[in-house]
Amino acid sequence: GAGVSQSPRYKVAKRGQDVALRCDPISGHVSLFWYQQALGQGPEFLTYFQNEAQLDKSGLPSDRFFAERPEGSVSTLKIQRTQQEDSAVYLCASSLGGTVPYEQYFGPGTRLTVT
Amino acid sequence: GENVEQHPSTLSVQEGDSAVIKCTYSDSASNYFPWYKQELGKRPQLIIDIRSNVGEKKDQRIAVTLNKTAKHFSLHITETQPEDSAVYFCAAIPKAAGNKLTFGGGTRVLVKP
Repeated sequence: GAGVSQSPRYKVAKRGQDVALRCDPISGHVSLFWYQQALGQGPEFLTYFQNEAQLDKSGLPSDRFFAERPEGSVSTLKIQRTQQEDSAVYLCASSLGGTVPYEQYFGPGTRLTVT
Repeated sequence: GENVEQHPSTLSVQEGDSAVIKCTYSDSASNYFPWYKQELGKRPQLIIDIRSNVGEKKDQRIAVTLNKTAKHFSLHITETQPEDSAVYFCAAIPKAAGNKLTFGGGTRVLVKP
């Protein structure tokens, strides 16, 4: 079946611009996660949804970062007034969810470059 | 919060030899430990995982061991092949963390033919 998809795959933004990154999780997956991966490093947690509820946003680096999942499927990560330090790969992952940890399946990521 | 340390950061092995990557974690309540393989420019792919009620798990040439007392877990790849060359990440989920993954820093594995 279809895996996690993300769009766009690449995004170049001028400093100060707003960007929106989209994630389509695996159908039926309750949980959705956003991670940020800097070059040469492991992914770092940003935020987590269970259905449409954002249960944890402790990893969002600033109030310029905002995520939503209004209907419990597709999610959007929005970054306002982008800065150079926002340049990274943004990964989305989904899992079946629940109280027992399930395997997380990752999308291909969106590589954001802020110039 | 959880902290995951991974060693070594780079590993070069001859084709056919074994590779071992070790990770330690700080939160004794962590109960799920996946390993991901990431090729250059690609998404992380789950290759094996282990839960805290199991000490060892094997899948063909890949095995993972978990020592809860010492709070460390290891990935073992036997009979390495050139296609095993990639960056490998360990991760942990603390029981009360809402299933968010905390990753190690990664190990770049190079298998030389």
